[in-house]
Amino acid sequence: IAGITQAPTSQILAAGRRMTLRCTQDMRHNAMYWYRQDLGLGLRLIHYSNTAGTTGKGEVPDGYSVSRANTDDFPLTLASAVPSQTSVYFCASSDREFNEQFFGPGTRLTVL
Amino acid sequence: GQNIDQPTEMTATEGAIVQINCTYQTSGFNGLFWYQQHAGEAPTFLSYNVLDGLEEKGRFSSFLSRSKGYSYLLLKELQMKDSASYLCAVRDSGYALNFGKGTSLLVTP
Repeated sequence: IAGITQAPTSQILAAGRRMTLRCTQDMRHNAMYWYRQDLGLGLRLIHYSNTAGTTGKGEVPDGYSVSRANTDDFPLTLASAVPSQTSVYFCASSDREFNEQFFGPGTRLTVL
Repeated sequence: GQNIDQPTEMTATEGAIVQINCTYQTSGFNGLFWYQQHAGEAPTFLSYNVLDGLEEKGRFSSFLSRSKGYSYLLLKELQMKDSASYLCAVRDSGYALNFGKGTSLLVTP
């Protein structure tokens, strides 16, 4: 593979359930990010990681957690999903030396 | 705080030129990015400006004025496939980006 992959592509989830969205990159990028995109609100940063072993909160972190055990993987967990977390979730990565962020294909999540 | 403004929608004719403006007020500045996003797809990188002036890349150009907190994306020789959302994003510090809400561009025949 080349680039960023996300799984699942889409998911319908009952409120209250736990869900982990997966993100893997093979570009050896140091920094990784999770965004949610909602109609009329644009892309908003949930959490980020500048390097393996470190994470930080973005604009809308409540209800989400992340971990960065290694360079390649950056999972996003919803501990107890709520309908307001219905959104399209994008994972992205960037290298310290370059400026461009590469985006994964996205996960469309519906919480009922 | 972050405040990034761009028009919600624009319409232009195939073959024409269109300019999409972006104004920003951020707590710091470490570069401005433009991304293109087709419906149902991921954003893809178009351009990056960190110094004042114009950056040209084929049919697309991007301009930055840091003192005015202003940028524009210029698309020349518009094609139907240019119909998409165009996202302005500012990096204030670190590596994370702050995105505007995007401009939906419709190119008509």
